[in-house]
Amino acid sequence: SQKIEQNSEALNIQEGKTATLTCNYTNYSPAYLQWYRQDPGRGPVFLLLIRENEKEKRKERLKVTFDTTLKQSLFHITASQPADSATYLCALDRGDSSYKLIFGSGTRLLVRP
Amino acid sequence: DAGVIQSPRHEVTEMGQEVTLRCKPISGHNSLFWYRQTMMRGLELLIYFNNNVPIDDSGMPEDRFSAKMPNASFSTLKIQPSEPRDSAVYFCASSRRSGGAGTDTQYFGPGTRLTVL
Repeated sequence: SQKIEQNSEALNIQEGKTATLTCNYTNYSPAYLQWYRQDPGRGPVFLLLIRENEKEKRKERLKVTFDTTLKQSLFHITASQPADSATYLCALDRGDSSYKLIFGSGTRLLVRP
Repeated sequence: DAGVIQSPRHEVTEMGQEVTLRCKPISGHNSLFWYRQTMMRGLELLIYFNNNVPIDDSGMPEDRFSAKMPNASFSTLKIQPSEPRDSAVYFCASSRRSGGAGTDTQYFGPGTRLTVL
């Protein structure tokens, strides 16, 4: 069956360090992958999109990689700040003609001052 | 832009009652999505519309759930009768379709927290 896995345990890091979050998937062939941020009591907010033919995408302190061989995406936040504390969700299209995004369960990031 | 608007923000009801959740998408967006989020199952797509037409409702859990989009600026998700297991946060999202789902950025509303006693 199709599955998206993100670390269920919270990632706890010191301010200034690089946070790395993982998104693994099985039985999908997505053409695109997106990352969203979700704060408590709010809806997810789009951060970055990466296509299958792109190895890496950057936006300010954010970097996303997409390895279709490993079926994995890594999401990095450099020089992390307490304000980066949130839950981060990865989402994939199904790689078919549908217009659905399938979301992972998210990883909670805590950045200590 | 006001973003996606959902109402109510919180709803507490008793089992067996009808619940109606409302959504106003971003003006100019032609796709609308209803999701449900729980700790156990994460964020699940229930149904999505394109140009006010339901395209895929395979995520709707049961016949107790129904959704409508009478025009481009309004959608409802109805649960009748409601059950305690329907307790969750329900999100509405909208996007401007320009290609496949993966290229369309979805804009989420603040959600409706539903509690069924």
